[in-house]
Amino acid sequence: EAGVVQSPRYKIIEKKQPVAFWCNPISGHNTLYWYLQNLGQGPELLIRYENEEAVDDSQLPKDRFSAERLKGVDSTLKIQPAELGDSAVYLCASSLQGGTGNEQFFGPGTRLTVL
Amino acid sequence: SQKIEQNSEALNIQEGKTATLTCNYTNYSPAYLQWYRQDPGRGPVFLLLIRENEKEKRKERLKVTFDTTLKQSLFHITASQPADSATYLCALDPGNTGGFKTIFGAGTRLFVKA
Repeated sequence: EAGVVQSPRYKIIEKKQPVAFWCNPISGHNTLYWYLQNLGQGPELLIRYENEEAVDDSQLPKDRFSAERLKGVDSTLKIQPAELGDSAVYLCASSLQGGTGNEQFFGPGTRLTVL
Repeated sequence: SQKIEQNSEALNIQEGKTATLTCNYTNYSPAYLQWYRQDPGRGPVFLLLIRENEKEKRKERLKVTFDTTLKQSLFHITASQPADSATYLCALDPGNTGGFKTIFGAGTRLFVKA
């Protein structure tokens, strides 16, 4: 069974440029998460989807970040414009369902460097 | 708000010894507590989950304890091997009271020397 797929793995851009990350969750997983991980820190939730509905986006900086999961399968996270402080690893995870006590399966992440 | 504290200093142990990692939280007791392993350049991998009404959970060489009075979980790796070297993340699952938002600690790096 394929795991969570993310692309690209690495991205280097200049500040003020736009950038997009793509995630394909494990087949059949209804819940999809986007996390941000800074060096030496744990993942921090940006947004959680239940199917195509964003049920928790309270930590998403909506002035520059946006996300979509149009058909309830794969998802895209966008930053426009990027700032120096956005340099981090962006992780996507999925689980069979939301709610509590569900194991999350993570992708390898996209490492973003903003120059 | 809920805060999680894990040893920020790396833990260095000799192969064959038991590694013990600590996770402390400051606020309400979570419905579930999870432990993940993360290797450099990779996403976290789920290891174990323990419920608030469970005291202990085991899986092969891994053991997790959960003390809601102390607000602490301990993660043990017995007969440690160099391949166990990684960062271990504690994650609190608050359940409905916390909006189902999993909160991760910063992790503890473990180095197992041969």
